[in-house]
Amino acid sequence: DQQVKQNSPSLSVQEGRISILNCDYTNSMFDYFLWYKKYPAEGPTFLISISSIKDKNEDGRFTVFLNKSAKHLSLHIVPSQPGDSAVYFCAASARTGANNLFFGTGTRLTVIP
Amino acid sequence: DAEITQSPRHKITETGRQVTLACHQTWNHNNMFWYRQDLGHGLRLIHYSYGVQDTNKGEVSDGYSVSRSNTEDLPLTLESAASSQTSVYFCASSESNGPYNEQFFGPGTRLTVL
Repeated sequence: DQQVKQNSPSLSVQEGRISILNCDYTNSMFDYFLWYKKYPAEGPTFLISISSIKDKNEDGRFTVFLNKSAKHLSLHIVPSQPGDSAVYFCAASARTGANNLFFGTGTRLTVIP
Repeated sequence: DAEITQSPRHKITETGRQVTLACHQTWNHNNMFWYRQDLGHGLRLIHYSYGVQDTNKGEVSDGYSVSRSNTEDLPLTLESAASSQTSVYFCASSESNGPYNEQFFGPGTRLTVL
């Protein structure tokens, strides 16, 4: 049973506009969330994370929002650039699970020049 | 620079053969992980290790084994390859000095079982 879900397999956005990628989770024990970015033929690379004690974390053009009551998080990319075109994975971890990550199925973002 | 490497990058094998995928990291990380990536499933954890001589089963461990004889390497063995094990395999590592640690991924190995 998928504990982390990304219900949009793909998203297309014009360059310069905002990209919003969504992620839902079911396990209330999850208390740390990460976003990874993956280019073809490469391994995933860490992008940004958020702890459950926060509801927002920002790093340059990337912001992650966490809504614990809805078990929902989102990644905002502003402004979107063609180099952002990649597959984005949401991942979650529980303190009791040490370093084990549970991944979503990924969303392919295409930024159109 | 520290890195994590996987070999081979591509492998074609036949059903029933034993296959070993290599993973080597120079981060000196205690934690190492193996995942498989399949369409519609994202990345799923196969096995993981928190240190030398430590191995643990993940979500999809059936048909796979690992061993950890040193800090740098965590080879993944498919005892008798099956077509259902055709996938892209990723190795990852992380530090062990806190409850939440970013995992660093290798470039992946694409395995095809005919």
